[in-house]
Amino acid sequence: AQSVTQPDIHITVSEGASLELRCNYSYGATPYLFWYVQSPGQGLQLLLKYFSGDTLVQGIKGFEAEFKRSQSSFNLRKPSVHWSDAAEYFCAVGAGLTGGGNKLTFGTGTQLKVEL
Amino acid sequence: GAGVSQTPSNKVTEKGKYVELRCDPISGHTALYWYRQSLGQGPEFLIYFQGTGAADDSGLPNDRFFAVRPEGSVSTLKIQRTERGDSAVYLCASSPYSGNTIYFGEGSWLTVV
Repeated sequence: AQSVTQPDIHITVSEGASLELRCNYSYGATPYLFWYVQSPGQGLQLLLKYFSGDTLVQGIKGFEAEFKRSQSSFNLRKPSVHWSDAAEYFCAVGAGLTGGGNKLTFGTGTQLKVEL
Repeated sequence: GAGVSQTPSNKVTEKGKYVELRCDPISGHTALYWYRQSLGQGPEFLIYFQGTGAADDSGLPNDRFFAVRPEGSVSTLKIQRTERGDSAVYLCASSPYSGNTIYFGEGSWLTVV
């Protein structure tokens, strides 16, 4: 069974500082990996995804993530955080298309607070 | 274009009542998913439809929960004899048959009192 661990429940950074959110996954084959962001009262917005190919993927809002198979990790990074980035971030792993669909398993999330 | 639409956005119901939550996926998306997100947790998979049929309902917690998608588009999640523990955000998502990316709606907040 697939699983995701986000070891940091809360992270606080200063505006303009760099950010790294950790994600470790467990899956027997090549995973399909995602980062989603959720603002209060909002749905999940996809930031970026990794399916195959280049292990460094670029997403929206200046985010990037790097897939490291040897470490079973898919950490999310941003070089300079903006106050509007304060939200909850979820890492998810999927098995890829099975019968046309991709069932995701999510981590418990990391709550990001940005200090001005 | 329009995203995944869910109604109602908020629902308060009494324990023991029946509830229906509706999801309208992105046009042309054949795969539809229901997830449940409890406070402080990540979303948990409930059920997945490919077309009209439930391809995987392994996440439904018990037989009080069931979902339908009779015409392969709109889906309804139905909860019978609601319990306080059913209080959560119910998220619907969809994806195209040939795509791995899943797009989520804003959710239906269910509170059972």
